[in-house]
Amino acid sequence: NAGVTQTPKFRVLKTGQSMTLLCAQDMNHEYMYWYRQDPGMGLRLIHYSVGEGTTAKGEVPDGYNVSRLKKQNFLLGLESAAPSQTSVYFCASSLQQSRRLAEETQYFGPGTRLLVL
Amino acid sequence: AQKITQTQPGMFVQEKEAVTLDCTYDTSDQSYGLFWYKQPSSGEMIFLIYQGSYDEQNATEGRYSLNFQKARKSANLVISASQLGDSAMYFCAMTPTLNDYKLSFGAGTTVTVRA
Repeated sequence: NAGVTQTPKFRVLKTGQSMTLLCAQDMNHEYMYWYRQDPGMGLRLIHYSVGEGTTAKGEVPDGYNVSRLKKQNFLLGLESAAPSQTSVYFCASSLQQSRRLAEETQYFGPGTRLLVL
Repeated sequence: AQKITQTQPGMFVQEKEAVTLDCTYDTSDQSYGLFWYKQPSSGEMIFLIYQGSYDEQNATEGRYSLNFQKARKSANLVISASQLGDSAMYFCAMTPTLNDYKLSFGAGTTVTVRA
């Protein structure tokens, strides 16, 4: 049982280049999330998905797009990378079976380090 | 919008001693969820403990306990009998309502356990 995996682990981009980060989970979780982590700050939510085919904006969505074509995968795209997008990106998933949504634990992937030059 | 504050950027603790990590939050909601995560140097985020605002008892998970004081809006994490493997960054996070699942994180506290 791999849990949540992320591809790639590390990437260097030049300004203006595009790339896609892949998140996969094998826990049959409904909800998936993308966060970014910057020095001195906690994680901030970029986009999230509450099910296959649905996505929504989080706290810092500008410059990113996402897709959830399959339940187990959640893709994060950068169409034109900027140095401000240098960060560590985390994907997470949660089951959301409880009537109290806030009780559900989010399980995180190992992260992707992205450097934009 | 809710806000999470962790005022201790870094702490040192002697092995086998207890350490308390502070977390205060600001919300106008009466019902919400509070979480603590651990991030070791390897980078992964590890769930430690959860406290619902409606829970009367403080949450405990092994050596971790959450000192929840709703009136003061604080949710401090206590790690008892510290081990070298506890050296990590610790994040406090919350979901704003019981029907919301989106986490907001504090800036984190680095804990270094000394032998």
